[in-house]
Amino acid sequence: QKEVEQDPGPLSVPEGAIVSLNCTYSNSAFQYFMWYRQYSRKGPELLMYTYSSGNKEDGRFTAQVDKSSKYISLFIRDSQPSDSATYLCAMSFNTNAGKSTFGDGTTLTVKP
Amino acid sequence: NAGVTQTPKFRVLKTGQSMTLLCAQDMNHEYMYWYRQDPGMGLRLIHYSVGEGTTAKGEVPDGYNVSRLKKQNFLLGLESAAPSQTSVYFCASSYSTAGGADTQYFGPGTRLTVL
Repeated sequence: QKEVEQDPGPLSVPEGAIVSLNCTYSNSAFQYFMWYRQYSRKGPELLMYTYSSGNKEDGRFTAQVDKSSKYISLFIRDSQPSDSATYLCAMSFNTNAGKSTFGDGTTLTVKP
Repeated sequence: NAGVTQTPKFRVLKTGQSMTLLCAQDMNHEYMYWYRQDPGMGLRLIHYSVGEGTTAKGEVPDGYNVSRLKKQNFLLGLESAAPSQTSVYFCASSYSTAGGADTQYFGPGTRLTVL
C-alpha cells in the first residue's frame, strides 16, 4: 500500500463549479502538506502548502488538512478552464530531511 | 532568475546507448532531485542530493547514476539505455530549512525515448 493515496480521477466539471481534490496518507509523522499543479507537458509548480492541521486560503484555492483522519483536500471555487491541469498532493516530515512523498495526481478538466 | 533548467528537452536513444541529463538551478538550493514520470504512476524519485558532493538513492535508482560536483548542478546518467527508461524526467530543487516545508521547484522536463 502506498503511503499517499490520491483520488485518481479524471475529473470533469463545468466552469464555475466547486472542485474537491483529495488525498489520504498512512504516516502520521507527516507535518507539511503541499499541493502542486502540473499543466500538460510542463513541470509541477507549487500551489500552496500547509503545516499540520487546519485550513489555508489563497484566492479561489483552499487547502484543508485533517490529521486525525489522515486526509487532505484542495478546494477550488469558481473553477475556470485555466484550472485544467493535473493536481499532485505531497507531504513531508518536520525535519531537515528534504524529501517529499507525492500522490499520483488527479487530472481536472474544467469545461467552458 | 531562470529557476531550474534542464538540458536537453527531448532525446531519442537506441537501446544500449548512454547519455547524461543536466539540471541546473540558480536559487542556491541545497537539495536537488531527479524524478521520472510515467502515465498513471505519478512522480517516482530516482536519486537525490542533500548537498554538493553527496547523493542518495530514491525509489527507482537501478540503471541510473548521478553526480553533484557543483551545488548548482545535478547530473543524471544512463549508462546503457533500455526501452523501460522511456519516460519524462524532471529535476527539482528545494531549500533546506530545519523544520521547514520541502517545497520543491521543478524544471520543465526532458522527454526521453529509448528505441
